[in-house]
Amino acid sequence: GNSVTQMEGPVTLSEEAFLTINCTYTATGYPSLFWYVQYPGEGLQLLLKATKADDKGSNKGFEATYRKETTSFHLEKGSVQVSDSAVYFCALSPRLGSNYKLTFGKGTLLTVNP
Amino acid sequence: DTAVSQTPKYLVTQMGNDKSIKCEQNLGHDTMYWYKQDSKKFLKIMFSYNNKELIINETVPNRFSPKSPDKAHLNLHINSLELGDSAVYFCASSQSVAGGDTQYFGPGTRLTVL
Repeated sequence: GNSVTQMEGPVTLSEEAFLTINCTYTATGYPSLFWYVQYPGEGLQLLLKATKADDKGSNKGFEATYRKETTSFHLEKGSVQVSDSAVYFCALSPRLGSNYKLTFGKGTLLTVNP
Repeated sequence: DTAVSQTPKYLVTQMGNDKSIKCEQNLGHDTMYWYKQDSKKFLKIMFSYNNKELIINETVPNRFSPKSPDKAHLNLHINSLELGDSAVYFCASSQSVAGGDTQYFGPGTRLTVL
């Protein structure tokens, strides 16, 4: 079956530090890949996505590149802010078939200190 | 306007009671979902409906019964509540069941069973 493995947290950084959260996946075929973010007390929001190999998703200074050869979709940001403190989820969905469902990683808690 | 809304936001109840959570989306989407997030933030899909038809039912106890009166609404009724049902329940919607469609999440309902 499909699965997503992301680095365990929590991750604690100082403001303006570089962020990487690793994500690798196992899936049949070529799934679509997503990063969702959950701010404290809120629901999940889409941060970025990529639907085919070598695509780069980007939003709010965050980037992730769909790497088919390493089955990875690592999240990066060059300079984090306190407001980036949240839980980050990597997820995939199969692109074929009608009963698609989103499979999530376990989430990585990021805390950014001023 | 809120895209995906849920009521109530908090629900505290005794073991053995029956309760319902309501979800509405105003995005015109065809597909709606229920997810359960446990205390470790792990997210798992429970149900998915497409055009009021159940398409995903993930080995959820039959005490949980979803109902979709129309495309914009998906409610979750839980009978004979147990301590292990305590969690945050998220509703979500997407344009269709196609892989790659972004899912939009509600703010969550925190259920506490005493």
